[in-house]
Amino acid sequence: SAVISQKPSRDICQRGTSLTIQCQVDSQVTMMFWYRQQPGQSLTLIATANQGSEATYESGFVIDKFPISRPNLTFSTLTVSNMSPEDSSIYLCSVEGETNEKLFFGSGTQLSVL
Amino acid sequence: GQSLEQPSEVTAVEGAIVQINCTYQTSGFYGLSWYQQHDGGAPTFLSYNGLDGLEETGRFSSFLSRSDSYGYLLLQELQMKDSASYFCAVSASGGYQKVTFGTGTKLQVIP
Repeated sequence: SAVISQKPSRDICQRGTSLTIQCQVDSQVTMMFWYRQQPGQSLTLIATANQGSEATYESGFVIDKFPISRPNLTFSTLTVSNMSPEDSSIYLCSVEGETNEKLFFGSGTQLSVL
Repeated sequence: GQSLEQPSEVTAVEGAIVQINCTYQTSGFYGLSWYQQHDGGAPTFLSYNGLDGLEETGRFSSFLSRSDSYGYLLLQELQMKDSASYFCAVSASGGYQKVTFGTGTKLQVIP
């Protein structure tokens, strides 16, 4: 299993500002995934981060809004830029297990934008 | 793209059995997995089916029929702590395995 430390756990931000979320994994992983979960909703994949290459974004998500860094095999950041109230959500990072059959999740970042 | 459907809510009695269904539409299907999420918590993995049939893990079992694009999660001997949201998720190819989550089923276990 993988242990993921995600921070901050929650934040309240002003419109127009940016927030960077960090995820640290206790083992080296090839891919890290960033998901968004709006209140009472399902998880939506934002992007996949590979070390040494540009992140791959899903439809509806763009790099200018959600820049991602992946400097090494145990760490990644997601920035939510120029925030608006519509960005209020829970953001989760995840990694695959050894058999690629399961995902492990960080504890999530609950973001509220005023 | 992928789409998955689940019932939005299910209520069951403590000690009973409950089945949560999931139907999906996807290309490049690899497998179906299930996750549990308590309020305020992160999703945790429950089970995975890559082949047709039943997988059993303690009180939880999961079933897959690839030909019917259908699966279910079966929870036996329900306990109050099983009250949570349950998500089915499809793994599909897209250059790499990509996981898409269903709409989620909120299970309420009552005494």
